[in-house]
Amino acid sequence: NAGVTQTPKFQVLKTGQSMTLQCAQDMNHNSMYWYRQDPGMGLRLIYYSASEGTTDKGEVPNGYNVSRLNKREFSLRLESAAPSQTSVYFCASRVDRGSYEQYFGPGTRLTVT
Amino acid sequence: GESVGLHLPTLSVQEGDNSIINCAYSNSASDYFIWYKQESGKGPQFIIDIRSNMDKRQGQRVTVLLNKTVKHLSLQIAATQPGDSAVYFCAEQYDKVIFGPGTSLSVIP
Repeated sequence: NAGVTQTPKFQVLKTGQSMTLQCAQDMNHNSMYWYRQDPGMGLRLIYYSASEGTTDKGEVPNGYNVSRLNKREFSLRLESAAPSQTSVYFCASRVDRGSYEQYFGPGTRLTVT
Repeated sequence: GESVGLHLPTLSVQEGDNSIINCAYSNSASDYFIWYKQESGKGPQFIIDIRSNMDKRQGQRVTVLLNKTVKHLSLQIAATQPGDSAVYFCAEQYDKVIFGPGTSLSVIP
């Protein structure tokens, strides 16, 4: 099993450009998450999806949209990138029964100039 | 409001010594707590968890202690090794998961 995979690993955008971060998991998990991580701060939840076809806002959703394409894939879109969105983005999925443990991808480092 | 915080942002430990990483939480209704380890350039990785009806849980070289009276969580790492150098996050779960800011552990050979 590959676990949670994310593409791309690195990306540089100009202000106003758009892009989609891709995430996929092969563990048959129902719940998936998008976080951002800024220096000296913990992970902050952007959006999550409790099951295929549902999405909900997290702590910092402004400027982002998500799509739960199917059970495996959960994408994050920046419609008009801003320098404040420079961050490392992590996707995660969760074991749905008996534990709240989340499995994280390797992250995407995004710089907006 | 809800918050999870750490007392020490950085910790340096001699190889072979025990490490203790602390975490404070403010939501007394949180019922589940997790410790994650994040190595440089990687995503967080689960270490150990504990439910609110327990006060101690042990894993391989790690122990988590939960003190609900003072809303405090700690992670103890026995015989710290160079491979333990990383950032450690605590997280609390109630309605949603909230992560603390992290403690950087540096192991001195």
